[in-house]
Amino acid sequence: GENVEQHPSTLSVQEGDSAVIKCTYSDSASNYFPWYKQELGKGPQLIIDIRSNVGEKKDQRIAVTLNKTAKHFSLHITETQPEDSAVYFCAASYGFKTIFGAGTRLFVKA
Amino acid sequence: GAVVSQHPSRVICKSGTSVKIECRSLDFQATTMFWYRQFPKQSLMLMATSNEGSKATYEQGVEKDKFLINHASLTLSTLTVASAHPEDSSFYICSALGGQWTEAFFGQGTRLTVV
Repeated sequence: GENVEQHPSTLSVQEGDSAVIKCTYSDSASNYFPWYKQELGKGPQLIIDIRSNVGEKKDQRIAVTLNKTAKHFSLHITETQPEDSAVYFCAASYGFKTIFGAGTRLFVKA
Repeated sequence: GAVVSQHPSRVICKSGTSVKIECRSLDFQATTMFWYRQFPKQSLMLMATSNEGSKATYEQGVEKDKFLINHASLTLSTLTVASAHPEDSSFYICSALGGQWTEAFFGQGTRLTVV
């Protein structure tokens, strides 16, 4: 069946460094790729998304890239801060169907 | 973005009792709502999709008689865990889609503990 693979499962960076999380999807029909941040005990919060007709999107310290040919998409966080520490999920969607990655636990050390 | 409110945020119940979780879209009409289950340190697993006024569509392996979903209005969907058991303890999350939005927004989640 369709799946989304996400790497790494855990990422530890020093404050101010960059963090990169990568995802690969299998369903070529997927056309919407959101990224969510989930803090402990809370629901996921959409932080950035990208659609299949765009290769890159940036919002302040966060950027996402998409390679449809390779079925890869990545989240880049620059100048990381301790408050960026959370679990990040990628997802691939087509219509109502959304498949989530397994999540990446990001630790930003002060 | 839009606001989706989930209630309660935490609930503890005795084994054998039923628990109802509410999901409300506060500032838009949610034609479709999704219910997810998340075990500790794991990803979100879709349980069911509900469209307003019709029966929910359950994912494979999810018991519809145990997880009762009602989506009677464009702003409210409820998930009732019937005769809950300790193995039903989990984090339940809803998301809602509709109105002007092309993406779904998540509620805050409900931590269910069955003792």
